[in-house]
Amino acid sequence: DAGVIQSPRHEVTEMGQEVTLRCKPISGHNSLFWYRQTMMRGLELLIYFNNNVPIDDSGMPEDRFSAKMPNASFSTLKIQPSEPRDSAVYFCASSKRYEQYFGPGTRLTVT
Amino acid sequence: DAKTTQPTSMDCAEGRAANLPCNHSTISGNEYVYWYRQIHSQGPQYIIHGLKNNETNEMASLIITEDRKSSTLILPHATLRDTAVYYCIVRVLHGSSNTGKLIFGQGTTLQVKP
Repeated sequence: DAGVIQSPRHEVTEMGQEVTLRCKPISGHNSLFWYRQTMMRGLELLIYFNNNVPIDDSGMPEDRFSAKMPNASFSTLKIQPSEPRDSAVYFCASSKRYEQYFGPGTRLTVT
Repeated sequence: DAKTTQPTSMDCAEGRAANLPCNHSTISGNEYVYWYRQIHSQGPQYIIHGLKNNETNEMASLIITEDRKSSTLILPHATLRDTAVYYCIVRVLHGSSNTGKLIFGQGTTLQVKP
């Protein structure tokens, strides 16, 4: 089992550019979660999907952020346009029942 | 979901048991207690969860008080690799699926020392 796969692992971009983060959940898992972690705010849930349907996006900071899950094996988190305050580590997690399995994260730096 | 309170940091000697406390005095009857940990630069890792009975798995034991207002995570023989931030979370499980969300607090930074 490869676990949750995220790409890229590191992303450095300039303010105003579009950023797309990708996630492949564990096969057979029906829930997918996107989190953001910063020193100031800790680990925050942005959005989660159940059976590819967005259930709760109340954590998405603003309209610049969007997430999609076109099928059970792929999800994207897009930031357009990016800003320096979006710099953080973004984690994707998937779940089948009680526990969530987290990916290694994408470290995003916006200059 | 109920709020939890944990000490900011703790130390433990290698080979000894690490006992990490968590207060959740406003927990509801249908809320479970979850523990996750995050080793530096990695994603959080599930450890254990329980409702009201004590639980044990290959990683740890979870002791929940009878009134369910607090719990303790026990790592029976801590190693240097157990140095991490440990998060106590309470949440509702919706049926048998994992449609509930985790709300992470600041956690306890456990430092295991040689």
